[in-house]
Amino acid sequence: DAGVTQSPTHLIKTRGQQVTLRCSPKSGHDTVSWYQQALGQGPQFIFQYYEEEERQRGNFPDRFSGHQFPNYSSELNVNALLLGDSALYLCASSFPDPAPRGYTFGSGTRLTVV
Amino acid sequence: GQSLEQPSEVTAVEGAIVQINCTYQTSGFYGLSWYQQHDGGAPTFLSYNALDGLEETGRFSSFLSRSDSYGYLLLQELQMKDSASYFCAVSANTNAGKSTFGDGTTLTVKP
Repeated sequence: DAGVTQSPTHLIKTRGQQVTLRCSPKSGHDTVSWYQQALGQGPQFIFQYYEEEERQRGNFPDRFSGHQFPNYSSELNVNALLLGDSALYLCASSFPDPAPRGYTFGSGTRLTVV
Repeated sequence: GQSLEQPSEVTAVEGAIVQINCTYQTSGFYGLSWYQQHDGGAPTFLSYNALDGLEETGRFSSFLSRSDSYGYLLLQELQMKDSASYFCAVSANTNAGKSTFGDGTTLTVKP
């Protein structure tokens, strides 16, 4: 039973560029959430997708956008990259109410903006 | 909004018991979760409390007091592999699909 798969694992981009990160959820999960984790901090909620629609959004600018496909996989897009966007981006899959059984996280994409 | 506080670091010896506390502020509390994250790895779900009391899962237990907006994770019979960061996360009934994480507690287990 495959867990959450994220690609790529590492990425280096230049300030001002655009990036797309990809996530395949755990088998049986239909909800995908994206989190940003800066060094030494807890994951910060970016947004959540369910039934191919953005269901909730955290305090992130419109430069952050996403998509969910019919097979439940998801993409996170970040435009006009800033140095401060450097972080570990975590994809978490779950059932629509993740709390009781928790999220299943992927190992993340380490994004470095130079 | 939601906020959580937990100690930044805890150190204990192998075989001991350690408690990691978490206090939270949120409107419409729904539940408190705990996650473990080893360096560079994926956070792993440990436990969830929605009601007051203790939930036990093997060596790990989690406690919640809704009236005190407080919870803790108890790790017994510590092993070296338990060295990791531990995060509490709160969800609210207005947006139960979203969990807000604390900044984590780094646990170091010494021989």
